[in-house]
Amino acid sequence: EPEVTQTPSHQVTQMGQEVILRCVPISNHLYFYWYRQILGQKVEFLVSFYNNEISEKSEIFDDQFSVERPDGSNFTLKIRSTKLEDSAMYFCASTMGESYGYTFGSGTRLTVV
Amino acid sequence: AQSVTQPDIHITVSEGASLELRCNYSYGATPYLFWYVQSPGQGLQLLLKYFSGDTLVQGIKGFEAEFKRSQSSFNLRKPSVHWSDAAEYFCAVGAREYGNKLVFGAGTILRVKS
Repeated sequence: EPEVTQTPSHQVTQMGQEVILRCVPISNHLYFYWYRQILGQKVEFLVSFYNNEISEKSEIFDDQFSVERPDGSNFTLKIRSTKLEDSAMYFCASTMGESYGYTFGSGTRLTVV
Repeated sequence: AQSVTQPDIHITVSEGASLELRCNYSYGATPYLFWYVQSPGQGLQLLLKYFSGDTLVQGIKGFEAEFKRSQSSFNLRKPSVHWSDAAEYFCAVGAREYGNKLVFGAGTILRVKS
């Protein structure tokens, strides 16, 4: 069964530092997403990406966040200057189209100290 | 605004007993619906999905869910729960009209007692 792969599984960073979370979506998928889950809270949509551009972003996805698909296989989420409240589990997801369902990665747990 | 409600934060059932996890949604468009399961520290695994057609959908691990448009519900069921089903279950809803992003419920933690 094809998988969405996320690295690293855990990352600890100091407040104010930049972090890059990496994802390798399923190879023939077309739509890519980042979601996050703060401990004990709901899974929240951050951003969707299609045809090499952002198709939608949430209010959470401010100027500190950016996404990129640099080489046709990786899909990255960058947080420019991390804050304590960015501590969360970040999930990458991909799909061929909504009727196929969405495949989620195992997540990256980001801890900002 | 779109919303998904899972009214039960925790549910405890005995092994072998039946299970029903509730999910209600509020959407201004024709939704598509999912159930995901998450074990501690793990990712989200898709259990089943509904897009159209038969309102009773079968998923993995013996789970099924029924879409009831009149009640705006998509409840998850399993006739006989196994200890390995203990996890957190999330209902999620999307719609093409809302850009295909998923809106998740708050989750229901299932505990299984032997």
